[in-house]
Amino acid sequence: GAVVSQHPSWVICKSGTSVKIECRSLDFQATTMFWYRQFPKQSLMLMATSNEGSKATYEQGVEKDKFLINHASLTLSTLTVTSAHPEDSSFYICSARDRGNSPLHFGNGTRLTVT
Amino acid sequence: DAKTTQPNSMESNEEEPVHLPCNHSTISGTDYIHWYRQLPSQGPEYVIHGLTSNVNNRMASLAIAEDRKSSTLILHRATLRDAAVYYCILKIGGGSNYKLTFGKGTLLTVNP
Repeated sequence: GAVVSQHPSWVICKSGTSVKIECRSLDFQATTMFWYRQFPKQSLMLMATSNEGSKATYEQGVEKDKFLINHASLTLSTLTVTSAHPEDSSFYICSARDRGNSPLHFGNGTRLTVT
Repeated sequence: DAKTTQPNSMESNEEEPVHLPCNHSTISGTDYIHWYRQLPSQGPEYVIHGLTSNVNNRMASLAIAEDRKSSTLILHRATLRDAAVYYCILKIGGGSNYKLTFGKGTLLTVNP
């Protein structure tokens, strides 16, 4: 079945630094990928929709200059958390679909801890 | 956005069937009903989806009410590995350019 790989699975960084998270579709091409964030004991919150070859579409309240998304190829989208602060500590999850109407396939998430 | 309502939590015993309900009274005619589940510390996993007719796959069955205002995810024999948060989500419209918005889901506990 379709597989989405996310890397790294966890990362610890110091406040003020930037962190890049990669999301790859391993056996299919994904023109659209999604980035979610999940705080402990809460549901997933959609942050942005990543479109190959064009600018990402951010949900209301998500700072596009803080969460930089690049979707340079049909199999790779990256999320960069710039100038990370402790309140950015969260579980970041990406997803992709391989055909227009197919279900979403999710990565296993990246646990970000900002100290 | 059309909303869904699920119980916060449910409990089941191992090897017994589990029926997870979902209400979606504002569903429109072209909205698909999707179910995903999330095991602890993992990304969500697709379970099943349907439009009008009941659906079966290797993981579960989806029973959709005739008026489509509710649906039930059926796990025929729960195992300890089925303990997860189950999300019932409406895929708005029949188009391919869609996104999924997650609600709070149902936390399923499976007792040995």
